[in-house]
Amino acid sequence: AQTVTQSQPEMSVQEAETVTLSCTYDTSESDYYLFWYKQPPSRQMILVIRQEAYKQQNATENRFSVNFQKAAKSFSLKISDSQLGDAAMYFCAYPLYNQGGKLIFGQGTELSVKP
Amino acid sequence: KAGVTQTPRYLIKTRGQQVTLSCSPISGHRSVSWYQQTPGQGLQFLFEYFSETQRNKGNFPGRFSGRQFSNSRSEMNVSTLELGDSALYLCASSLGGRGSTDTQYFGPGTRLTVL
Repeated sequence: AQTVTQSQPEMSVQEAETVTLSCTYDTSESDYYLFWYKQPPSRQMILVIRQEAYKQQNATENRFSVNFQKAAKSFSLKISDSQLGDAAMYFCAYPLYNQGGKLIFGQGTELSVKP
Repeated sequence: KAGVTQTPRYLIKTRGQQVTLSCSPISGHRSVSWYQQTPGQGLQFLFEYFSETQRNKGNFPGRFSGRQFSNSRSEMNVSTLELGDSALYLCASSLGGRGSTDTQYFGPGTRLTVL
């Protein structure tokens, strides 16, 4: 069964510093996508970044980048120059192929940013 | 483009009642998925609709049902409410292609409290 695991329930980072959130997943598929979503206190789920498994290049979106290790089934999110607005719950998610893209979410990592 | 909208944002009901939640997808998106988020179970997939047809269903009792209209708007209904149904209900829309290539964009959620 496909699973997504986030082993860090809470993380803390100093403003302007860099933090990495971990995610591992399990799948038997060879071609798939992975997502990181952010859920701030407003509870709105916001897409942070998307990675296609067939691409060797790691995805980057401004201060957010991923370290995608396909063989290890690891998909970590790096946040550079952390800002107070980055404080949120972060979810790693994997969509199931041929099930309408049904998302399997990790348990989430709550990130706090200290001024 | 306007984002995904959900109404109402907050609901308070009592046990045994029924409730209907509404979701309007991003213009042009034909797939709507529903998720339940609780502190204990995290994010769980309820069902997905595409072109007015339920394409995928999660492991929830039959009290949870939904439908989709020709304009892609979707409603979710929960009958005979139980205390355990208290949760944040998130709706997500995507273009709706088969497989897991489409990114899902989420609405702000409906917070349901059952007393």
